Amino acid sequence: EAGVAQSPRYKIIEKRQSVAFWCNPISGHATLYWYQQILGQGPKLLIQFQNNGVVDDSQLPKDRFSAERLKGVDSTLKIQPAKLEDSAVYLCASSLSWTAYEQYFGPGTRLTVT
Amino acid sequence: GIQVEQSPPDLILQEGANSTLRCNFSDSVNNLQWFHQNPWGQLINLFYIPSGTKQNGRLSATTVATERYSLLYISSSQTTDSGVYFCAPRGPNSGYALNFGKGTSLLVTP
Repeated sequence: EAGVAQSPRYKIIEKRQSVAFWCNPISGHATLYWYQQILGQGPKLLIQFQNNGVVDDSQLPKDRFSAERLKGVDSTLKIQPAKLEDSAVYLCASSLSWTAYEQYFGPGTRLTVT
Repeated sequence: GIQVEQSPPDLILQEGANSTLRCNFSDSVNNLQWFHQNPWGQLINLFYIPSGTKQNGRLSATTVATERYSLLYISSSQTTDSGVYFCAPRGPNSGYALNFGKGTSLLVTP
């Protein structure tokens, strides 16, 4: 069974530029999560989708971050404009559903904002 | 969200040694996962253990939900066990996300 796929794996941009990340969850997983992991810390949830609807986006900085999952499968996370403090690893995870199911993580995208 | 405290924060072991990592959490949980984040940043699922005890090879985990802690045991450690270990609980009162602490950074030396 294929795992969670993410691209790109690395991205370097200058502040005020925009960037987009892509995630393809495990086949059949209805719930998709985007986490942000700053160096030295554990991941923190940004947004959670159940199929193509948003379940929780309370920690998403909506003035600059946006995310969508239009067909209930793939998802994109965008940052516009980027700030220096957005430098982090962006992790996508998926689970069968949003109740107490095991979450599986992708390899992440390492973003550096200069 | 649930507050997560992991101990010790850093651990250095010689190959072959055993260790116990502890995770304390602040609220009731209906989901708890242990992960190993390898040096390349990949989070690898170790256990899904909201309660009880599980074993997988040299690793085992125990969660005592009523006392709000979980333990991860690593026996006969190998250099490939190096990395950061995260405990991530989720509770019925804390939304849908896993709550991560700062992890335990483990280095196993030859």
